Amino acid sequence: GAVVSQHPSWVICKSGTSVKIECRSLDFQATTMFWYRQFPKQSLMLMATSNEGSKATYEQGVEKDKFLINHASLTLSTLTVTSAHPEDSSFYICSASKGAGDLSNQPQHFGDGTRLSIL
Amino acid sequence: DAKTTQPPSMDCAEGRAANLPCNHSTISGNEYVYWYRQIHSQGPQYIIHGLKNNETNEMASLIITEDRKSSTLILPHATLRDTAVYYCIVRVAGSEDNTNAGKSTFGDGTTLTVKP
Repeated sequence: GAVVSQHPSWVICKSGTSVKIECRSLDFQATTMFWYRQFPKQSLMLMATSNEGSKATYEQGVEKDKFLINHASLTLSTLTVTSAHPEDSSFYICSASKGAGDLSNQPQHFGDGTRLSIL
Repeated sequence: DAKTTQPPSMDCAEGRAANLPCNHSTISGNEYVYWYRQIHSQGPQYIIHGLKNNETNEMASLIITEDRKSSTLILPHATLRDTAVYYCIVRVAGSEDNTNAGKSTFGDGTTLTVKP
């Protein structure tokens, strides 16, 4: 159990367009999901914490108007990269933990990531 | 968040035990130590986690020192498929109304190469 699915796995689009990435917990409910970005040969960088039914919490330096997060249900969070530019090209990864409350004792289960290329 | 320090790379012979160290000297009493690994172009995979006691599962063992300032991940019989970047993370503790609760900050990890 504990499968997290991301869609799409790979997307190429023109500069200036918006791209939506979905993150689904397939066999469990997740009140909290996390979004990461990873550049080549670098580690994962936490972008934001997605909370079901409330606003996302963004890390310092991450533009909330640029990266729109919606967590409308207990199994789905979406990340929309608005007006994407080549510098937004990256590997975007989401994760989710089972349950609610104190998640520190709950493993994060990661999606397989979305590779975004902006031309 | 408590930071972790890991060696950038390690080699291990196939079939031998791989011992991956991690320092987390600023860890707080209620923060868990987690290990994940990432194979190229995939999302990280959960391996194991612990608070104070040593832990073992079907994938690995986790040894945490008594003062909790360091830990070691042990892959008992490494295979070529265990070649990956291994991340040691201290996960923020908290309650539901703590916006930082459950966050994981990834360091640079250890690139483990298992050789035939």
